[in-house]
Amino acid sequence: SQTIHQWPATLVQPVGSPLSLECTVEGTSNPNLYWYRQAAGRGLQLLFYSVGIGQISSEVPQNLSASRPQDRQFILSSKKLLLSDSGFYLCAWREDRAYEQYFGPGTRLTVT
Amino acid sequence: GQSLEQPSEVTAVEGAIVQINCTYQTSGFYGLSWYQQHDGGAPTFLSYNALDGLEETGRFSSFLSRSDSYGYLLLQELQMKDSASYFCAVRPMDTGRRALTFGSGTRLQVQP
Repeated sequence: SQTIHQWPATLVQPVGSPLSLECTVEGTSNPNLYWYRQAAGRGLQLLFYSVGIGQISSEVPQNLSASRPQDRQFILSSKKLLLSDSGFYLCAWREDRAYEQYFGPGTRLTVT
Repeated sequence: GQSLEQPSEVTAVEGAIVQINCTYQTSGFYGLSWYQQHDGGAPTFLSYNALDGLEETGRFSSFLSRSDSYGYLLLQELQMKDSASYFCAVRPMDTGRRALTFGSGTRLQVQP
């Protein structure tokens, strides 16, 4: 069966510090991978998606970046965090022709 | 482009039936999905409509009418644990974009 892992679960970082969030998927090959951000009480904003190793599409221009160094690993990074980067970050995966998308447990980031 | 509209909040009592609507403006999509998200948790898949009509899964049903650009999620025999946010989502047919677009979500509050 497939599982998706995200870490850390919670993170408190000062403004201007770097960020690295990691997501890994088990039990599937060549999944589509996604990073979403959710502000409190709001909807899901797509940040990045990847259809293969090294292939990253950015949806929203900002100070975040993503990388996919391995087939089932997706990393979200920032060199300098802003207060507005606070939120709930969700990684998700989907098989290319499937309709169901699976989300990881999320990372709650607070930038202070 | 794509946009999906949902009511922001719905309140109902235990045992009742509630319908959460989703109207959309999109140039073309593969199907309409519904996701449930409890506070602090990750979204989980509920249902999918590829074709017009009603899909039933236990207490939950989902409906799609492409001609009316409209869908809904129907929850029957409401339970307290159904209190959560519900999101509709579509996967657009835009060339190369293999990501779901989510509505802003409907917060359902079930009261005793």
